[in-house]
Parts: sequence; C-alpha cells; structure tokens
Amino acid sequence: GQSLEQPSEVTAVEGAIVQINCTYQTSGFYGLSWYQQHDGGAPTFLSYNALDGLEETGRFSSFLSRSDSYGYLLLQELQMKDSASYFCAVRDSGATNKLIFGTGTLLAVQP
Amino acid sequence: DTEVTQTPKHLVMGMTNKKSLKCEQHMGHRAMYWYKQKAKKPPELMFVYSYEKLSINESVPSRFSPECPNSSLLNLHLHALQPEDSALYLCASSQVEGRGNEQFFGPGTRLTVL
Repeated sequence: GQSLEQPSEVTAVEGAIVQINCTYQTSGFYGLSWYQQHDGGAPTFLSYNALDGLEETGRFSSFLSRSDSYGYLLLQELQMKDSASYFCAVRDSGATNKLIFGTGTLLAVQP
Repeated sequence: DTEVTQTPKHLVMGMTNKKSLKCEQHMGHRAMYWYKQKAKKPPELMFVYSYEKLSINESVPSRFSPECPNSSLLNLHLHALQPEDSALYLCASSQVEGRGNEQFFGPGTRLTVL
C-alpha cells in the first residue's frame, strides 16, 4: 500500500522558521504536494515537487529527496495566520486523479 | 473564477431523511471529487468523476449516491445515513491531466446526522 507519515503537531513562535517533514512509501511516484487547511476551511494547494531539490514560493519552500522518500515544507518568517493543518500528498500509482494524503501536521504559531 | 462553491454550508438530518449536497465550479475542470473529512484527519476520497463519468468509487456505502449532471456540477445524494457519517464533506476539482496534484477544494458542507 501507500502511506505518508508526518509529525502530528509542531509549535513555533512568530518570526521563526519551521520545517514539517513527510516520509512516504509508494509503489510508484509522481511527485509530492503540500496543502494547507485552516480550522473549518478548505484545503488549499501550496506547492508541488516532481524532482529532487527545493522549490520556493515566497515564505514557503518545499523540498524533495526521491532517493530518501522524503520531503519537507519550510515556512519562514512565521505569522499567526500560518497556524493551520498541513498535509503532504502523492498521486496514487494506479489512478491518475487519486490523491493519497499524509496524516497531517497541526502547526501552532505562538506570539 | 478559481472558486469551488458548495451548498449548503451546514446540514443536520435524521437517519430517515433524504438530502443532497451540491458543488459547482467554473474553471473548466473535467475532474471532480467528493471527500469526507473527520476532525483532525486528512481528507478521505469517496468518488472521482472524470469527463462526467464515475471513474473511482472508494467502496463507499450505497447510502451515498454521487451524480455529475454536467461538467460544472457535482451532487452527492444522501439517504438513510448513520450518525458516524457526520463529517465535513469536501468537493474538489482539477484538470484531468494537470500540473502535479493540484486540486481546488470547496469550503465543504458540515453534516450532522442525528
């Protein structure tokens, strides 16, 4: 089967940098995505890595190492509004449109 | 327009009721999805429609019945639900062969089954 593991909770202070890790086991691999979901809100796409390395989008960066089956989301200059759940996701190897989500990480940003 | 809309926002129903959830998008996406999400858990895929045809049913009980009337609309018909079906129901859409895994989610319908 396919599985993605994330830490359940991470706490950091405003202005800090935080890294949310994701390790995955898949029978095929078509890239790693990250989604943000505020409490009571809709998941929102943040980033996608198909190849190894770092992708930067403003304060958020995402990294992938296919050889290690590992990726992370890096959030810099943390703001209170970054408090949310973060999910990594991979495409199912047998179905083009099926996403497998990670267990999710609840990020709490403190003043 | 990069928005997926869902109605209603909240729904309370009894176990003998019949109700429907509605989802709409105008991004030209030809793949649409229903997810179920419990508190503090990731979204769990229920159904996928591709080009208005059901392409994935994740062994969902028959008391949930999806329908895709056209390329912009997706419905989820509910009948004889159980209290454990109480959850946030999310609709999403995407290109069929799109960039990475980018799906656009609606705000969800918070369903309570009494």
